[in-house]
This record gives sequence, structure tokens and C-alpha cells, in this order.
Amino acid sequence: GNSVTQMEGPVTLSEEAFLTINCTYTATGYPSLFWYVQYPGEGLQLLLKATKADDKGSNKGFEATYRKETTSFHLEKGSVQVSDSAVYFCALSEGSNTGKLIFGQGTTLQVKP
Amino acid sequence: NAGVTQTPKFQVLKTGQSMTLQCAQDMNHEYMSWYRQDPGMGLRLIHYSVGAGITDQGEVPNGYNVSRSTTEDFPLRLLSAAPSQTSVYFCASRQGNTGELFFGEGSRLTVL
Repeated sequence: GNSVTQMEGPVTLSEEAFLTINCTYTATGYPSLFWYVQYPGEGLQLLLKATKADDKGSNKGFEATYRKETTSFHLEKGSVQVSDSAVYFCALSEGSNTGKLIFGQGTTLQVKP
Repeated sequence: NAGVTQTPKFQVLKTGQSMTLQCAQDMNHEYMSWYRQDPGMGLRLIHYSVGAGITDQGEVPNGYNVSRSTTEDFPLRLLSAAPSQTSVYFCASRQGNTGELFFGEGSRLTVL
């Protein structure tokens, strides 16, 4: 079945460091890919998405490129801030009929001043 | 601008008790779903609904029931709670096939 695998956390960085969180997927067809972010005590929010191969999603300085050849959707940010501390989830959409999203296990990011 | 509203936010149950987690959305979304979040497991889909009167099972449906009598509401019922159901539960909705899910703030359930 479809699945999403993320790098294990926690990831601890100093402020202004470069961030990469790896995400790879297994899916039939051409799923849409997403990154969601969960701040402490809150629900998940959509951070960015890409709907087809080579698309780049971007938001709030974060970017991810849909790489079909490597089945990856790695999240990057050039300079992290303390306020970026959160749990990040990679997810794929199974398709139009069910609308289900399959999530990775989440990666905790802690940014220190 | 309510979005997706879940109640209660916290609940403690004893093994064998029943309860219902409420979920309501005011965005007229057809699709609604329930996830549970457990450490190291990410979010796992329990049940989902693509419209009023239509529900289906997700990855981990055992021990949970749902119904969808209106577009707005999608309650999750635990008929006989077990400690394995201790988790944080999230309700989410979306319109059509856009892919973006809108989440509630979560309900933390502890079963003793």
C-alpha cells in the first residue's frame, strides 16, 4: 500500500541554520504531496503542497520539490527561527475517490537561540 | 471564523466506558475524517466520510463507530473504551479533492 517515510527526529538546530527534513514515499499513480506543521498544543496546518512531478511548493521560507524519480519530497529552509520549532508531517493524497491522506510519522524540530 | 471545532478537548475514561467525540465544521465541506495521533506513529486514519450518509473505514477502525447525518457534524463513538485507545484525536475536513485538510485542535483521551 501507499506509505510515507520521514527522517527520525528530533532535529535540533541553532537559529539561522539550514534545515532539511527528508521525506520519501511509496505510491501507485501520481499522488499529491504535502507538508503539514503542528505547533505545540495545536492541530495540523498545511505548510505547502505539490500536485505533480517537478512542482515546487513554498511558504514562509520553506520549500519542497516533488521528485518522482527519487520518490522524495524533502523539506528545506535556508535560515530557521525559534518560531519554527514544531512537528512537521509529510503526507500524500491517495487520490480523488477516497480523498485520504497518508501521513509520515512526523519529525520534531527544535530551534535554539 | 470557527473552522473545525472538536469537543471535548480533554477526557478521562475508565475501561469499558463509552463516549462520543464531537466534530463540527462550518465550511460546508463534503469530506470529513478522524485521525488518531500516537508517538512515533504519526497520524492514522480511523474513519472518513465523503458526504452526508456515507462513511467508510480507514486504517484503524476497530473499536470506533461513526455516522454522518448532516454535512456539518461527524461524531466519533467509542462503545467500550480500552487503554489502547488512549491517544490524541483529530477531526479534519476538506472540500472536494483540493488536498488541503483543515484540522481541529484535537481531543486528548486517556483510558485508565
